[in-house]
Amino acid sequence: QVQLVESGGGVVQPGRSLRLSCAASGFIEPVFTFSTYGMYWVRQAPGKGLEWVAVIWYNGNNKEYADSVKGRFAISRDNSKNTLDLQMNNLRAEDTAVYYCARVRGRHYGSGSYAGLDVWGQGTTVTVS
Amino acid sequence: DVVMTQSPLSLPVTPGEPASISCRSSQSLLDSGYNYLDWYLQKPGQSPQLLIFLGSNRASGVPDRFSGSGSGTDFTLKISRVEAEDVGVYYCMQALQAPRLTFGGGTKVEIK
Repeated sequence: QVQLVESGGGVVQPGRSLRLSCAASGFIEPVFTFSTYGMYWVRQAPGKGLEWVAVIWYNGNNKEYADSVKGRFAISRDNSKNTLDLQMNNLRAEDTAVYYCARVRGRHYGSGSYAGLDVWGQGTTVTVS
Repeated sequence: DVVMTQSPLSLPVTPGEPASISCRSSQSLLDSGYNYLDWYLQKPGQSPQLLIFLGSNRASGVPDRFSGSGSGTDFTLKISRVEAEDVGVYYCMQALQAPRLTFGGGTKVEIK
């Protein structure tokens, strides 16, 4: 079945960097491949709600960031490897959270019809301390 | 930014009984005939899962006891007969301003 698996989380000191990855598998060929989906990073601070962090279009040509991470985080993807990354620089204590990747389609993402963030990974924990 | 407000914050439920969660947005989510409002459930210890998209469309595999309704700024998620497996935190989310998404604060559903 369709699966997203995050990795790369850990404990890091403030000001340091960390790179998260999300590996995708099980996408339905040939129409609904990984390369036809926009991809989000969404985070959840301990005991808090959900916050979108970054998003990348299906082809990687467009990216957007939440104001809280703009200039510090960079999202990227490799459609040949079905992977999504999040480079996090100059980390702060308030970046401590579980980070989830999730897929999406729709006109806002350059491909398909909107149907929600329909597949999420299990999350990877980042602790900045 | 669109602000999403959910109520109640906590909802004790009895198995077999109906339950309802409200979500209100600070501006209309209606665009081109679609309400850009989703519902997600985060079960304890799990990642969020999509229940309802575009206001009233059940996601694949979601039981038909879940239904979404509403339009514009006022939306409701209803569970016709709550089951024990439905406990968790329910979030509404606006996608009108996609790709900039906004989630509600969450409603925690627990068994009485």
